[in-house]
Formats: sequence, structure tokens, C-alpha cells
Amino acid sequence: QSALTQPASMSGSPGQSITISCAGASSDIGGYDLVSWYQQHPGKVPKLIIYNVKKRPSGVSVRYSASRSANTASLTISGLQPDDEADYYCCSYAGGGTWVFGGGTKLTVL
Amino acid sequence: QVQLVQSGPEVRKPGASVKVSCKASGYIFNTYGISWVRQVPGQGLEWVGWISDYNGHTKYAEKLQGRVTMTTDTSTSTAYMELRGLRSDDTAVYYCTRDRNYFDFWGQGTLVTVSS
Repeated sequence: QSALTQPASMSGSPGQSITISCAGASSDIGGYDLVSWYQQHPGKVPKLIIYNVKKRPSGVSVRYSASRSANTASLTISGLQPDDEADYYCCSYAGGGTWVFGGGTKLTVL
Repeated sequence: QVQLVQSGPEVRKPGASVKVSCKASGYIFNTYGISWVRQVPGQGLEWVGWISDYNGHTKYAEKLQGRVTMTTDTSTSTAYMELRGLRSDDTAVYYCTRDRNYFDFWGQGTLVTVSS
């Protein structure tokens, strides 16, 4: 199972919005409503920020939103804040009881 | 509150085996499965496998098939992941996660170092 494709790095200024893409296939992202996103600060445990394509867990900021078009999922962070600087990973169900992660995107807040 | 507490760091020689534990609390253990995810230092997340909450059914990443075994002890709400035939590229932090078709709670991670 090949990893989902994410940009290796992105950057933005405080207050701006950025969108991180996650490209897959019809056998994963496009085939199931089971895309999730995780935020990981350096040295910390990953944190769930989006599940089931676009749902936000309780306590996660409304500045995080997500969507999917065909075989590509996207995470949008609006009103960038310094604490948004982290690594972001997408994940999708890939059928047959398996899961696949994206390679991760390192977000820098300038 | 939901917690997943993992066993401590391990160091093994190539070819050896390691067994990592993950003790769950704060929820009914046999209502959700457990997935294991690993992360090579400085690299991304990789799904390792899953064990069912109610019948012990497992599913493993293809690249680890034959070397990994996941089990649970429902009497102690503990999940285990054993990896055999360790290689240097198995050096990683191994996380257990509560699997609800997304990974909402994570253990603190267990660093497994494979070195001669």
C-alpha cells in the first residue's frame, strides 16, 4: 500500500489561511468516508483534528476544516496562529482492514 | 478520562523479538479495537496493524506480515504487539491507538531501538 501524497512543507503568516492536500486513489480516499487528519508537535503524540472526512472532534478549534474531492482530501487552517506550527498527517482507510498515512506536511508559521 | 499507557523503551539486537504493552483505562476495553502505528525518528507515521475489540481478529500491514503478532488480555484491558526478527529499520516509536475508524486516543509511545 503506497503512502498518500502530501506536500513535504508549507508555510504561512499569522492570520492567513493555508490548505494542505492529501492525494490518494479510488481505493482509499475516494472509496471510503474514512479520512482523518492528525497534528503532531515536535516530540509529542499525534492528535486527532479531523475524522470521517470533515468532522471535528470536541475541543478542536473551528479554524480547522476539511473536505474531499474525488481522490484528494484537504485540510484548511484559517487564521494561522504560531501554535499551528506542527506536522500534519492525513490517513485513510484503504480497504481490507488496512489504513494508510500520508507522508506528512511540516507547517511553518512565519 | 481515556488513557493508553505503554511500556517503557526497549533495546534489542538484530534478529531478536520485542513485545510492547498498552494498558487502556477510562472506557470499556472491548468496545473499540486497537491499532498500532509506528514512527521512525524524524519520519512519518506508518500503520502497523489492528486487533479487534471483541473477537481478537487481526489485520497487519503487508510489509510486517509474518513478523508481527497482536494480542489482547481483556481481563487487564491490555493490548500487546510483538515484533520478531527485528532489523535496524524497525527502530521507531511504536504507538497504540484506540481505533474507531479513526485514531482518537494515543499512547505515549514506546521507543524500540534495534542495534548490534
